[in-house]
Amino acid sequence: GIQVEQSPPDLILQEGANSTLRCNFSDSVNNLQWFHQNPWGQLINLFYIPSGTKQNGRLSATTVATERYSLLYISSSQTTDSGVYFCAVERRGAQKLVFGQGTRLTINP
Amino acid sequence: DVKVTQSSRYLVKRTGEKVFLECVQDMDHENMFWYRQDPGLGLRLIYFSYDVKMKEKGDIPEGYSVSREKKERFSLILESASTNQTSMYLCASSGTGGGRETQYFGPGTRLLVL
Repeated sequence: GIQVEQSPPDLILQEGANSTLRCNFSDSVNNLQWFHQNPWGQLINLFYIPSGTKQNGRLSATTVATERYSLLYISSSQTTDSGVYFCAVERRGAQKLVFGQGTRLTINP
Repeated sequence: DVKVTQSSRYLVKRTGEKVFLECVQDMDHENMFWYRQDPGLGLRLIYFSYDVKMKEKGDIPEGYSVSREKKERFSLILESASTNQTSMYLCASSGTGGGRETQYFGPGTRLLVL
């Protein structure tokens, strides 16, 4: 099956810092999504981004489908950005998302 | 706003009990999913459904069954709960085509099987 690798596995930053999270995948995809899981376990969809670039406030994401990677940028981090960030992809014809292992982000005040 | 609700946030059951986890979505989504999340193993797909009365096995269907009698409701059933089914269970829904593939998750059910 398709492999999804996220890096780094853990990231600790001070409030106000910027960060870049990476997602590599091993096959062509027609669906890629980024999620944030807060400390209470709720998963929130951040972006649906099979290709191209999107921005939403302090967050932006870029997927380069031909090179099989996606990047999530967080600028001016806040403590509420803490949690685990997941990348999930759907291989063409597969009908289901495969999740990476996540990046645990800790923002200290 | 899309809303996905799950019947319980926390559940404690005994080994051998039959357990029902309910999920309801209010966005007329065609697709619904059940995942479990365990430390070190990430999110794994148990079953999914792309239409009423349709179901497809995910990556770890053993020990589980599902039911989708109405479009908005997707139930996960543990026929005889075992301790290795202690986990966080997450339900999600999504539409089909036209950029509606975004998955929306419920708050999760933390199940403890004693």
